[in-house]
Amino acid sequence: QTVLTQPPSASGTPGQRVTISCSGSGSNIGSHPIYWYQHVPGTSPKLLIYNNDLRPSGVPDRFSGSKSGTSGSLAISGLQSDDEADYYCAAWDDSLEAYVFGGGTTFTV
Amino acid sequence: EVQLLESGGGLVQPGGSLRLSCAASGFTFSNSAMTWVRQAPGKGLEWVSGISGNGGSIYAADSVKGRFTISRDNSKNTVYLQMNNLRAEDTAVYYCAKVGPFLTILGVVGSFDHWGQGSLVSVSS
Repeated sequence: QTVLTQPPSASGTPGQRVTISCSGSGSNIGSHPIYWYQHVPGTSPKLLIYNNDLRPSGVPDRFSGSKSGTSGSLAISGLQSDDEADYYCAAWDDSLEAYVFGGGTTFTV
Repeated sequence: EVQLLESGGGLVQPGGSLRLSCAASGFTFSNSAMTWVRQAPGKGLEWVSGISGNGGSIYAADSVKGRFTISRDNSKNTVYLQMNNLRAEDTAVYYCAKVGPFLTILGVVGSFDHWGQGSLVSVSS
């Protein structure tokens, strides 16, 4: 049972805009930044969004993040075929004293 | 260019031990917290443990507390994960990752901005 809840799967069509949600609680997202990672199976995970809504250099501005209260979301606009991947949200949890990942969302285009 | 190279994975029997190493280059190692994350077959990412830049702060997931120990040698730019009393459920690809400089939490975790290629650990008799 994961502390951060994501939909297990999502899909979209090329060019579309989609969002992936991440629901937590006051001890994690409600108190700390949320992070988003992209993981293509067989490769290493990649940081997409940090501190709720910031993009590392090299990440296209088609990816954006937001946070409100105890939930966050990742938006992907102008969908491309190479956006197919697993997407994970993450945050620190004060109660667990641990960094927790969501269960992951498998995204298909 | 930041590079993280894991080594030390392999097949081990239940109850056995293994030590993973992660050699880092391309950044000031002693200034960066480091972390280990794993992915079991068919499962999602799971944070394992993190260590601050000077090694003074360490946190670990409940699933590995008392069995796994993270450490670092800043003179060798290397972070380690000593894994004892291994169980079948520890079978996973283990990634080391560098913690980014922005808004770290307790000096140990935050954004994992660079990742190694992963090292497979298989626990089976």
